[in-house]
Amino acid sequence: GQSLEQPSEVTAVEGAIVQINCTYQTSGFYGLSWYQQHDGGAPTFLSYNALDGLEETGRFSSFLSRSDSYGYLLLQELQMKDSASYFCAVRISGQNFVFGPGTRLSVLP
Amino acid sequence: DAGVIQSPRHEVTEMGQEVTLRCKPISGHDYLFWYRQTMMRGLELLIYFNNNVPIDDSGMPEDRFSAKMPNASFSTLKIQPSEPRDSAVYFCASRGDRVRNSGANVLTFGAGSRLTVL
Repeated sequence: GQSLEQPSEVTAVEGAIVQINCTYQTSGFYGLSWYQQHDGGAPTFLSYNALDGLEETGRFSSFLSRSDSYGYLLLQELQMKDSASYFCAVRISGQNFVFGPGTRLSVLP
Repeated sequence: DAGVIQSPRHEVTEMGQEVTLRCKPISGHDYLFWYRQTMMRGLELLIYFNNNVPIDDSGMPEDRFSAKMPNASFSTLKIQPSEPRDSAVYFCASRGDRVRNSGANVLTFGAGSRLTVL
């Protein structure tokens, strides 16, 4: 089977830095994605890591360690609008993406 | 581009009724996915198509569920008969087939269809 683990909830204050971890055990691995979903909205793509290391896109960065089956999403200079659920997703085959249970991030003023 | 378009946005029906959800993928995208999201089970892949052909339907919960993609711009997910446990948000997503850039790794989701079966 496929198993992805994320913390269920994270709380931080505006301007802070928060890290959301994801560990996975899957039958295949092509890469690790991160998606953001606001309440009532659709998941939207944030990042994709196929190789080990850190990828930076503005305030968001994503890290992957394939040997540790681990990745994280780093959000800097938190803003209220960052309050949402964040999902990691493993591409286990050419076409199949398996999603984690999601982490609900609450940003406090 | 208008993105992935789904309809209806909300559907309330009674147990036993037929439900049809519709999806228009992004033009030029070769892959179309149907996901279901619930609090208990998260985001689950139900089925996906490549060039209008169903490739993997192992996530379809049971025979009451069926999906079709008659052409590159339209897909349906049908539940017949519907049951209360089918209540969920159903997302359609599409992606391109450009393996040499990030487009192949990006799923673009529609706004979802929230289904309530009473």
